[in-house]
Amino acid sequence: KAGVTQTPRYLIKTRGQQVTLSCSPISGHRSVSWYQQTPGQGLQFLFEYFSETQRNKGNFPGRFSGRQFSNSRSEMNVSTLELGDSALYLCASSLEGSYNSPLHFGNGTRLTVT
Amino acid sequence: LAKTTQPISMDSYEGQEVNITCSHNNIATNDYITWYQQFPSQGPRFIIQGYKTKVTNEVASLFIPADRKSSTLSLPRVSLSDTAVYYCLVVTVYNQGGKLIFGQGTELSVKP
Repeated sequence: KAGVTQTPRYLIKTRGQQVTLSCSPISGHRSVSWYQQTPGQGLQFLFEYFSETQRNKGNFPGRFSGRQFSNSRSEMNVSTLELGDSALYLCASSLEGSYNSPLHFGNGTRLTVT
Repeated sequence: LAKTTQPISMDSYEGQEVNITCSHNNIATNDYITWYQQFPSQGPRFIIQGYKTKVTNEVASLFIPADRKSSTLSLPRVSLSDTAVYYCLVVTVYNQGGKLIFGQGTELSVKP
């Protein structure tokens, strides 16, 4: 079975721009969640989607948004980029949700904001 | 939401058993304890999950005392390839889904 695929792997953007990251979950998984990883703050939960509906949201500003499509693929969008948004963005899928089934992570998108 | 505290780093030698303890004092009744392993430039990988007492799988054991305020991940006979960052986290049920709070992780270094 193919794992979680995140595209692109690397991205360089300028302050003020916006960016869209993509995540393809494992086939059959209905939950997709997103995380930001930085050396200073570690791994932080952004949001979780299940069957196209956002279930939970972490403590991030409204510039961070996401959506999930009917095939469970998900996208994350960050608008008006700031230098502090430079991070590794990880997506994870699970069968029924992050509470009651293990997460399967992709290898992330490394975003650099200059 | 329960916050976790674990050692920043640990050293070990090949063939030894490694125990990493995590503190989660304000864990709630329905929360689960989960451990993940992360190698550089990769996403975290699920190791084990438990609620209470002891859970064992093919790669690790998880010990959780009765008060559930801490947990210990036990890796038997580590090898160089076990060098990684290990995250303890408490999964809280929220809105029918989960909210995961990751700690800072423990960087395990296994030496020959």
